[in-house]
Amino acid sequence: DTGVSQNPRHKITKRGQNVTFRCDPISEHNRLYWYRQTLGQGPEFLTYFQNEAQLEKSRLLSDRFSAERPKGSFSTLEIQRTEQGDSAMYLCASSVGTSGKLGNEQFFGPGTRLTVL
Amino acid sequence: GESVGLHLPTLSVQEGDNSIINCAYSNSASDYFIWYKQESGKGPQFIIDIRSNMDKRQGQRVTVLLNKTVKHLSLQIAATQPGDSAVYFCADPKYNDYKLSFGAGTTVTVRA
Repeated sequence: DTGVSQNPRHKITKRGQNVTFRCDPISEHNRLYWYRQTLGQGPEFLTYFQNEAQLEKSRLLSDRFSAERPKGSFSTLEIQRTEQGDSAMYLCASSVGTSGKLGNEQFFGPGTRLTVL
Repeated sequence: GESVGLHLPTLSVQEGDNSIINCAYSNSASDYFIWYKQESGKGPQFIIDIRSNMDKRQGQRVTVLLNKTVKHLSLQIAATQPGDSAVYFCADPKYNDYKLSFGAGTTVTVRA
């Protein structure tokens, strides 16, 4: 399967613990995005990378959240001191990264569902 | 706030009938829209897109209509099948080419 993969698919943790999610984008996709989706809502943009550079962070991304893409390939999203409000589906997407909107379709992974008890 | 939103949160359709999912947007400068389908337990999947210089675009069993006058777009699914049961989102790249802004989604349920 050459699509976007995410691990783990499910994570249950206790409040206050740290969690880390991994995203492997489609090979040769320069752009990688993180979104958060809560029940009944559409995905909300969190942050995105162009190669290894993190170019924008949403206001939704508090100081407890950090994302990296050290080699411009896979990315990790870490949440420190998790809170119950962090419970959501965390989606990763990637695109080829050409300039302009067209031809820059974002392909989504299956997501990591986080439950904070 | 969000720039796109769907009219109805749920839609129940008889198998074989056509489905119409509506979406309104608020930013008159929006010039590109995308429809995504999200099945249970999966990430959103691209269905079809449309640029603002077009009124209509057709894909396989799907048609997107864009009415810029009233800032409304719709997704029509012909001969709805059980596999079409999913949540459908319209999305707007919102001023740039990377950050998608999604509406709340319409859940389509296909009745046998």
